[in-house]
Amino acid sequence: QVQLVESGGGVVQPGRSLRLSCAASAFSFSTYAMHWVRQAPGKGLEWVALISYDGVNKYYADSVKGRFTISRDNSKNTLYLQMDSLRADDTAVYYCARETDGYNDYWGQGTLVSVSS
Amino acid sequence: EIVLTQSPATLSLSPGERATLSCRASQSLISFLAWYQQKPGQAPRLLIYDASKRATGIPARFSGSGSGTDFTLTISSLEPEDFAVYYCQQRSDWPRTFGQGTKVEIK
Repeated sequence: QVQLVESGGGVVQPGRSLRLSCAASAFSFSTYAMHWVRQAPGKGLEWVALISYDGVNKYYADSVKGRFTISRDNSKNTLYLQMDSLRADDTAVYYCARETDGYNDYWGQGTLVSVSS
Repeated sequence: EIVLTQSPATLSLSPGERATLSCRASQSLISFLAWYQQKPGQAPRLLIYDASKRATGIPARFSGSGSGTDFTLTISSLEPEDFAVYYCQQRSDWPRTFGQGTKVEIK
């Protein structure tokens, strides 16, 4: 069955960087667009970024544009989120999610990023 | 950016009752709206897409309706496992946006 497993979260100081990974299995990863969505503690969902199936097209939320970079390695069935210049308000659980027909039909379990000095 | 406003913020109901959740968009979405369910400590789960289509494996008690700027998620008869937070999301324009959520709690 479809599985998405995020990793790479942790505690990081403001201004530092972190790279998240999302390992995909049991589906043809290279044919699906993928997203990152985050959720601050006790808050709602916030869409972060999208990458097309081939990695050519990328979209970002204004709140992360210029600081975060989404990428993928289809040979490794893995999605990435490079997060630079981290701020306290980036603290959240980060989910990767597959897109089908424009919506997110499968989600990972999430990885927690905590930005604190 | 398209703003999605969900109401009410909290809905207190008993098992077996009907739940009606609303999502209003700041501009027309045509029918490009989805509903997700999220339980504590879990990832969101897709329930409804394109306003009224049930996702794979979703029980028939969940239904979606609406178009343009006004959308509704209806749970015809609440089961104990349906008490959760529900979010709407639009895919009509970038950036993708979510509503702030409606919590359905046990009365």
